[in-house]
Amino acid sequence: AQSVTQLDSHVSVSEGTPVLLRCNYSSSYSPSLFWYVQHPNKGLQLLLKYTSAATLVKGINGFEAEFKKSETSFHLTKPSAHMSDAAEYFCVVSSFGGYSTLTFGKGTMLLVSP
Amino acid sequence: SQTIHQWPATLVQPVGSPLSLECTVEGTSNPNLYWYRQAAGRGLQLLFYSVGIGQISSEVPQNLSASRPQDRQFILSSKKLLLSDSGFYLCAWSAYTGIRAGTEAFFGQGTRLTVV
Repeated sequence: AQSVTQLDSHVSVSEGTPVLLRCNYSSSYSPSLFWYVQHPNKGLQLLLKYTSAATLVKGINGFEAEFKKSETSFHLTKPSAHMSDAAEYFCVVSSFGGYSTLTFGKGTMLLVSP
Repeated sequence: SQTIHQWPATLVQPVGSPLSLECTVEGTSNPNLYWYRQAAGRGLQLLFYSVGIGQISSEVPQNLSASRPQDRQFILSSKKLLLSDSGFYLCAWSAYTGIRAGTEAFFGQGTRLTVV
């Protein structure tokens, strides 16, 4: 069994300040973990992924995430927020097996103010 | 490169009417295919997945069905829509991974369905 908990439903930051979106996971196997971003009424875009290689993963648009097995966390960070980062972000864990089904967190809405 | 097409983008349907949403993938073979539904504040719910032609698994029993008539085509259907079927529907694909750990999925642009 696997699950994902996104600890904040909304996060508000000012443009130019750091972003931290928190995610904890539970998985019976070594997980694959992902962060996706969704802008209003759009599909989901993959930001970055962790698949048992380096624990610090760099993604698109300056985002990165660190896999911490001891804390079962996969928090998403960015040093400096931009207005275009305002969107909903989903932390996702993938099952191990013959098919890839993704378990999504409930999402964190990132609000960026000028 | 691989692309995924999903249509229509928006749809308004009366209660009791049928539904057909279509999704096609280009640039890959034998993909895993998925239908998700997204409701406000509830994240994404997996509705159906398929690992091959004619092979459909349902995650949630409900008023919807799915079919995969061709390798890269996935259709979501309903015979009679309910108000509760309203939502944002997303099609996705991933590469077949065998027994390896899961890979990422790639999403279409979604269909906003409003049942009135």
